[in-house]
Amino acid sequence: EIVLTQSPGTLSVSPGEGATLSCRASQSVPRNYLAWFQQRPGQAPSLLIFDASSRATGIPDRFSGSGSGTDFTLTISRLEPEDFAVYYCQQYATSPNNFGQGTKLEIK
Amino acid sequence: EVQVVQSGAEVRKPGESLKISCKSEGHSYSKYWIGWVRQMPGKGLEWMGIISSESESKYSPAFQGQVTISVDKSISTASLQWSNSLKASDSAKYYCTFGGGWLITVWGQGTLVTVSP
Repeated sequence: EIVLTQSPGTLSVSPGEGATLSCRASQSVPRNYLAWFQQRPGQAPSLLIFDASSRATGIPDRFSGSGSGTDFTLTISRLEPEDFAVYYCQQYATSPNNFGQGTKLEIK
Repeated sequence: EVQVVQSGAEVRKPGESLKISCKSEGHSYSKYWIGWVRQMPGKGLEWMGIISSESESKYSPAFQGQVTISVDKSISTASLQWSNSLKASDSAKYYCTFGGGWLITVWGQGTLVTVSP
């Protein structure tokens, strides 16, 4: 099975700045079937990015995904207060569709 | 967009059975893949398994044999079931997920399960 490792565990950034989150897979993710989800406190997760770089409906272009193979990145520019949350990557190419352990983005 | 409504919080004792459910509002289940994700208190997301639009189920090895995922298309309801096997370690929030395939596009609000003597 594919294991995903996210880094850093916690990232402290000031509003208005940018953030870069990493997701590394233990083996190549077929077809780059890698998604990113955002989970705000007390809420269910929601889809941000799919197929490594495609934004889900309604997601602002401040969010961008990149990468292929085993290394993937979520970049958030011009951080707004509502962006401070936990972010998870997930591969959906092979079962089990494991999640990474998450990166908490907190206000500096 | 699919709206997903999950059943309410549950409290059970160890060894008991439980079935929690989720229902889509106004959409047929015939084309959706429905999955379940566990989130233990203060922890990350764990993919449990999925059932395809053709009613074929796949489970994570961590949950294989521990739970059963099913769907009743006639009432547009999916379920996650434990049979006489609940443990305190099953206490968590469980999310129902929808998608057109393996990709999760919609999440339910979650069902909190508490297992306590």
